[in-house]
Amino acid sequence: AQSVTQLGSHVSVSEGALVLLRCNYSSSVPPYLFWYVQYPNQGLQLLLKYTTGATLVKGINGFEAEFKKSETSFHLTKPSAHMSDAAEYFCAVSDRGTSYDKVIFGPGTSLSVIP
Amino acid sequence: DTAVSQTPKYLVTQMGNDKSIKCEQNLGHDTMYWYKQDSKKFLKIMFSYNNKELIINETVPNRFSPKSPDKAHLNLHINSLELGDSAVYFCASSPARTAQETQYFGPGTRLLVL
Repeated sequence: AQSVTQLGSHVSVSEGALVLLRCNYSSSVPPYLFWYVQYPNQGLQLLLKYTTGATLVKGINGFEAEFKKSETSFHLTKPSAHMSDAAEYFCAVSDRGTSYDKVIFGPGTSLSVIP
Repeated sequence: DTAVSQTPKYLVTQMGNDKSIKCEQNLGHDTMYWYKQDSKKFLKIMFSYNNKELIINETVPNRFSPKSPDKAHLNLHINSLELGDSAVYFCASSPARTAQETQYFGPGTRLLVL
């Protein structure tokens, strides 16, 4: 079965520093991969996704992620953190069943940005 | 205009009561979902409907019953509420049922069972 792990349930960075949030997945078929962000007291919204094609995916708010099949990873990065980036970040992988598809979410990483 | 809306935003109730949460999307999407997010932020799918047809029914107690009167609405009724039902419930929608689709989430309903 497909699964997602996110290393580090909490990450703190200084404002202006590099943001790196780690995601590893397991999938028996070529995966679709997602990063969603959840700001306090809000629903999730998509940052970026990988389906096919270019393995470096650019998303909103300056985030990007690279699909590395050999490492089964899809780490999220941003060159320079802003205070507004403080949120919960979820990596997710598709689970393509025989009769239905669904998305499996990782446990989340809480990002704090220190002024 | 809110794309995916849920009512109510907050729900505080006693154990044993029955309650409903409503969800509406104005995106014209075919597929809708209910997720449960626990206190540790873990997000798990409960149900999914595609054009009013139930397509995903995870191992959820049968006290939870979804209903989709049309493809823009997906409601969740919970009977005999228990303390463990306290969580944030998110509705979401996507253009189609395939796995590469982006899901659009509502703001959540925070349920507290006392």
